[in-house]
Amino acid sequence: GDSVTQMEGPVTLSEEAFLTINCTYTATGYPSLFWYVQYPGEGLQLLLKATKADDKGSNKGFEATYRKETTSFHLEKGSVQVSDSAVYFCALTFWMDSSYKLIFGSGTRLLVRP
Amino acid sequence: NAGVTQTPKFQVLKTGQSMTLQCAQDMNHEYMSWYRQDPGMGLRLIHYSVGAGITDQGEVPNGYNVSRSTTEDFPLRLLSAAPSQTSVYFCASRSSGIPATDTQYFGPGTRLTVL
Repeated sequence: GDSVTQMEGPVTLSEEAFLTINCTYTATGYPSLFWYVQYPGEGLQLLLKATKADDKGSNKGFEATYRKETTSFHLEKGSVQVSDSAVYFCALTFWMDSSYKLIFGSGTRLLVRP
Repeated sequence: NAGVTQTPKFQVLKTGQSMTLQCAQDMNHEYMSWYRQDPGMGLRLIHYSVGAGITDQGEVPNGYNVSRSTTEDFPLRLLSAAPSQTSVYFCASRSSGIPATDTQYFGPGTRLTVL
């Protein structure tokens, strides 16, 4: 079935370092892909999304490109800040039982040190 | 605009007790869902609803019941709590059934411990 695999964390970086969090997926159709972020003590928030191959989602300096050939949607940021410390979830949609479902990866914790 | 609200924020239960986790949204969203979040497992869908009076099971429905009598509210009931239900529970909503075009909004979560 459809699934999402993320790199295990935690990822620890110094402020202003380059960030990559890997995400690959398995899907039978043409899913839409998402990155969600969860700050400490809060619920998940949509960070960015891409709905078709070669689309690039971007928000708050984060980017991810929908790569159908490698079934990947890696999250990148050129210069991280302490405030980016959070858990990041890759997700995709799939169609089941006459409705769309969201499935999530296991999450990657990012810790940015000053 | 409160968005998605959940109560309580924290709850401790004894094995066998029952309780209801409350979820409400004020955005007039049709689609609502409940997830549980466990370490290393991401979020897993428990139940969902595509509108008032319509509910269905997700990936891990056993031990939970839901109902949707109004558009705004989507409570999750634990019938007889078990330690395996210790988790963080998130309620979410979106305006239609197409997440590709809609943003899914999450509540702040309920941290449940079953002793």
